[in-house]
Amino acid sequence: DSGVTQTPKHLITATGQRVTLRCSPRSGDLSVYWYQQSLDQGLQFLIQYYNGEERAKGNILERFSAQQFPDLHSELNLSSLELGDSALYFCASSVPDGLNTEAFFGQGTRLTVV
Amino acid sequence: GDSVTQMEGPVTLSEEAFLTINCTYTATGYPSLFWYVQYPGEGLQLLLKATKADDKGSNKGFEATYRKETTSFHLEKGSVQVSDSAVYFCALSDGPGSGGSYIPTFGRGTSLIVHP
Repeated sequence: DSGVTQTPKHLITATGQRVTLRCSPRSGDLSVYWYQQSLDQGLQFLIQYYNGEERAKGNILERFSAQQFPDLHSELNLSSLELGDSALYFCASSVPDGLNTEAFFGQGTRLTVV
Repeated sequence: GDSVTQMEGPVTLSEEAFLTINCTYTATGYPSLFWYVQYPGEGLQLLLKATKADDKGSNKGFEATYRKETTSFHLEKGSVQVSDSAVYFCALSDGPGSGGSYIPTFGRGTSLIVHP
């Protein structure tokens, strides 16, 4: 058990809808990362938050947004969903981030858009 | 930008065979290098890491050596077991980037299947 909790584990929704994925980092970790894993793109970095502030952005679509709350849990919001958004979404946390820092991953949320 | 390239899978081996999964990287700075493993239905977990040239990371019989001259970090194991069947990801951490961040960059993953 990594200590990172993601809910829900599975989500099936229709095109055009909006969903929210939730992540609780390990106790004491200030940094949260979101990744999207798909068969053709591998593991793509979406966005990082550190202690409530956005710290870095990767290949995140404008239809997607995230936030980190005062209790350090984070939510990833996906809107106007398309079939191509179907993927496994991972949250990871670390103490803060650093060159040698290990990232701890949750089990992921599998999103299926139909 | 930074990138990680690893050999495509799946890699299929018999139990007790020797394993090599190749990984090369491109980085603007002097990164730390990692191997993560993802077992079916689970998230990624750190397998081993190396933080400077010629360092060897090792764990559970797996090894990888940080080769700066060839920008490589190949994963090896002398004798694989069925329980090693998983997806293996090579990754690097470089930075700091804008905002002082260090973002782990991952390869696409290599699936390993070990048969009894």
